[in-house]
Amino acid sequence: NAGVMQNPRHLVRRRGQEARLRCSPMKGHSHVYWYRQLPEEGLKFMVYLQKENIIDESGMPKERFSAEFPKEGPSILRIQQVVRGDSAAYFCASSPGQHSNQPQHFGDGTRLSIL
Amino acid sequence: DAKTTQPNSMESNEEEPVHLPCNHSTISGTDYIHWYRQLPSQGPEYVIHGLTSNVNNRMASLAIAEDRKSSTLILHRATLRDAAVYYCILRDVDTPLVFGKGTRLSVIA
Repeated sequence: NAGVMQNPRHLVRRRGQEARLRCSPMKGHSHVYWYRQLPEEGLKFMVYLQKENIIDESGMPKERFSAEFPKEGPSILRIQQVVRGDSAAYFCASSPGQHSNQPQHFGDGTRLSIL
Repeated sequence: DAKTTQPNSMESNEEEPVHLPCNHSTISGTDYIHWYRQLPSQGPEYVIHGLTSNVNNRMASLAIAEDRKSSTLILHRATLRDAAVYYCILRDVDTPLVFGKGTRLSVIA
């Protein structure tokens, strides 16, 4: 029973390029969450998606960042025109539902480095 | 803004029990208490959660105070693999996980 899969594990981009981070949730999970962890800081919630819908994007920067979770395929976190401050570890989590008593299962993250 | 308070760090000897405390004096009636841990270079890992009663699973036990204003995560026999940052998180309906700074647990061989 595969866990949450994120790829790539490491991604290097130059300033101004685009970064695409992928997340395949656990089998049977239709709820996906993205978190960002800046160096030496805690995880911060970015966005919560259910299949084809964004439910809560209150933690997402207003510009350059977008997320989707299509009917088929993985969830994608897209960062356009990356800047040095986007360097961080990005974690995806999934759960079968949104109830507060359901745990979230995390992937091992994508470490994004901006040159 | 995390609604929980945890010590910054704790130390334990290998194969001894570890009690990780968490204060959450402003907990609401619908908040579940969740514990996650993050090993170096890995994503967070779910440990345990509860509402009012104490909970046990294969990883740990969760002891919840009668007034629910505090809880304790208990690792019965710490191993080197348990060295991690442990996060105590309150989660209400339809809310994301809010991670604080957690407790960094060091395990000494």
